[in-house]
Amino acid sequence: NAGVMQNPRHLVRRRGQEARLRCSPMKGHSHVYWYRQLPEEGLKFMVYLQKENIIDESGMPKERFSAEFPKEGPSILRIQQVVRGDSAAYFCASSPPWDRRNTEAFFGQGTRLTVV
Amino acid sequence: AQSVTQLGSHVSVSEGALVLLRCNYSSSVPPYLFWYVQYPNQGLQLLLKYTTGATLVKGINGFEAEFKKSETSFHLTKPSAHMSDAAEYFCAVSDSRSGYSTLTFGKGTMLLVSP
Repeated sequence: NAGVMQNPRHLVRRRGQEARLRCSPMKGHSHVYWYRQLPEEGLKFMVYLQKENIIDESGMPKERFSAEFPKEGPSILRIQQVVRGDSAAYFCASSPPWDRRNTEAFFGQGTRLTVV
Repeated sequence: AQSVTQLGSHVSVSEGALVLLRCNYSSSVPPYLFWYVQYPNQGLQLLLKYTTGATLVKGINGFEAEFKKSETSFHLTKPSAHMSDAAEYFCAVSDSRSGYSTLTFGKGTMLLVSP
């Protein structure tokens, strides 16, 4: 059973370009979470999605950022018109449907975005 | 709202010494508490978690943590540090009533282990 797969592992974009980060959850997991880790900071929650639905996007910046989790295929975090401040590690986590026994989310290895 | 405070951005110990990483949380509802470890350029690996029941939780690699509600703490300990324990450690809290696993993280503590 493969873990959470994120690609690419490293992404370099020039200011103004678009960045697309992909996350394939673990088999059987229908819940996906995106987090951002800025230098010297802990991880900050961005968005929580289930298949075809955004459940909680309270941590998403209001502009330029969007996320989707289509019926087929990986979850995508999209950043339009990137700026240097977007440089960070972006982590995806997945979990099965929540219940009191299944409280753990499993993390991918992250995508390290560098904006030049 | 929930928050996590990790005291000490860096902790240095000698190999074989006790490891103590401090975590205090704030939560208006009964919390679920987690410790994760992150090695350089890697993702996060769960060390242990507290949900309900026994307040002393044992995890992987010899780590354990104790949930103390009165102190709102969830400190991580290991009796004897190994060189391989050198990594960054994150304490996290989630809302036990939210119905999903969104985590609020502390800023992390880098553990340095010297020979």
